[in-house]
Amino acid sequence: NAGVTQTPKFRVLKTGQSMTLLCAQDMNHEYMYWYRQDPGMGLRLIHYSVGEGTTAKGEVPDGYNVSRLKKQNFLLGLESAAPSQTSVYFCASSLTRQAFFGQGTRLTVV
Amino acid sequence: EDQVTQSPEALRLQEGESSSLNCSYTVSGLRGLFWYRQDPGKGPEFLFTLYSAGEEKEKERLKATLTKKESFLHITAPKPEDSATYLCAVQAGNAGNNRKLIWGLGTSLAVNP
Repeated sequence: NAGVTQTPKFRVLKTGQSMTLLCAQDMNHEYMYWYRQDPGMGLRLIHYSVGEGTTAKGEVPDGYNVSRLKKQNFLLGLESAAPSQTSVYFCASSLTRQAFFGQGTRLTVV
Repeated sequence: EDQVTQSPEALRLQEGESSSLNCSYTVSGLRGLFWYRQDPGKGPEFLFTLYSAGEEKEKERLKATLTKKESFLHITAPKPEDSATYLCAVQAGNAGNNRKLIWGLGTSLAVNP
């Protein structure tokens, strides 16, 4: 029972580097989300997708891009990492209103 | 502005000492209120969904209730394994079909043996 799998689990980037976070779900869910979680800020929605081939902006989309080429995968890209993007990133998927979360990716930008 | 506020920020209980966590909300039309549990280093885990005032849901030692302004998560005779951060989120009436949620900051619960 894999559920929602995120890779990598940890990553350190230098300012200006780029990277892609991968989220994969095996539950055939239509909806997928990328959140970031910061102390004192709670969970904030970065981007989301309502189905294969669709993406939309959330609360804090600047500096991030996403793609949903396949229903089971949702990719989050950072084109030029900044220290302000140091955070824990969570991917989630849902079919009904209940969302299932991945284990998170701890990203540090130095 | 849609907002979710959880209290207290942190709560320490003795094993068996019952208590309640609060989630107050101001949203333009509530479509659903959600409770999640988050353990350190892990993603949130779904607990309950409540849709209308007066609704109640139970799971083991946890019971969630909903009024028009707030929700309570009652913990009866807690055990150390109930220690976690409990998150509340709401879906507002203007969310459309995208299922966007407004999250509270959570209550960190520690249950001492």
